[in-house]
Amino acid sequence: GQQLNQSPQSMFIQEGEDVSMNCTSSSIFNTWLWYKQDPGEGPVLLIALYKAGELTSNGRLTAQFGITRKDSFLNISASIPSDVGIYFCAGQNAGNNRKLIWGLGTSLAVNP
Amino acid sequence: GAVVSQHPSRVICKSGTSVKIECRSLDFQATTMFWYRQFPKKSLMLMATSNEGSKATYEQGVEKDKFLINHASLTLSTLTVTSAHPEDSSFYICSARVPGAVNEQFFGPGTRLTVL
Repeated sequence: GQQLNQSPQSMFIQEGEDVSMNCTSSSIFNTWLWYKQDPGEGPVLLIALYKAGELTSNGRLTAQFGITRKDSFLNISASIPSDVGIYFCAGQNAGNNRKLIWGLGTSLAVNP
Repeated sequence: GAVVSQHPSRVICKSGTSVKIECRSLDFQATTMFWYRQFPKKSLMLMATSNEGSKATYEQGVEKDKFLINHASLTLSTLTVTSAHPEDSSFYICSARVPGAVNEQFFGPGTRLTVL
């Protein structure tokens, strides 16, 4: 099935650094979602974006819905060890049961 | 709110047996639930969409006779892996869409299936 281009594939950073990751698509979406998955757990929703150009924050996390509706980025500021995990973007449109189209994930490691 | 549970969290079975995995929405009614499969270090792969009271919609390449889905109530969907084989070993995750939160899905904690 369709998957989104998500980059980088993995990141290894020092605690306190800022992190940026992004997703791009060949088709437009009405909604962009960012999830975090810890090992052996299901994904947890971090941020949901509903309008092109929208910039939304959740604590140290900031995400934007690209103006073309074909991309989105997620920034994490001042990373801490518990930020470790895999981050997934997902795009969604109305109809078709609103199923999610997933990125391939960004694996984040934080060195304390 | 919006809590989704799965049971069991981990199951080991012999090849040829069938395994049932339950997905429950604990504090809301979910008319639509989704079943995913995830391989190590890979993204989630949608297997099927489960609508309460109707037949599930399977994604291309997913065998509906192999992966039986039942969504008999607004809080429970089940996935049965029939005649399991080692290649069915995987992490199975369900999600539910919250009525009113139109575009958001909330995920269960997953079930690790190992077929010997």
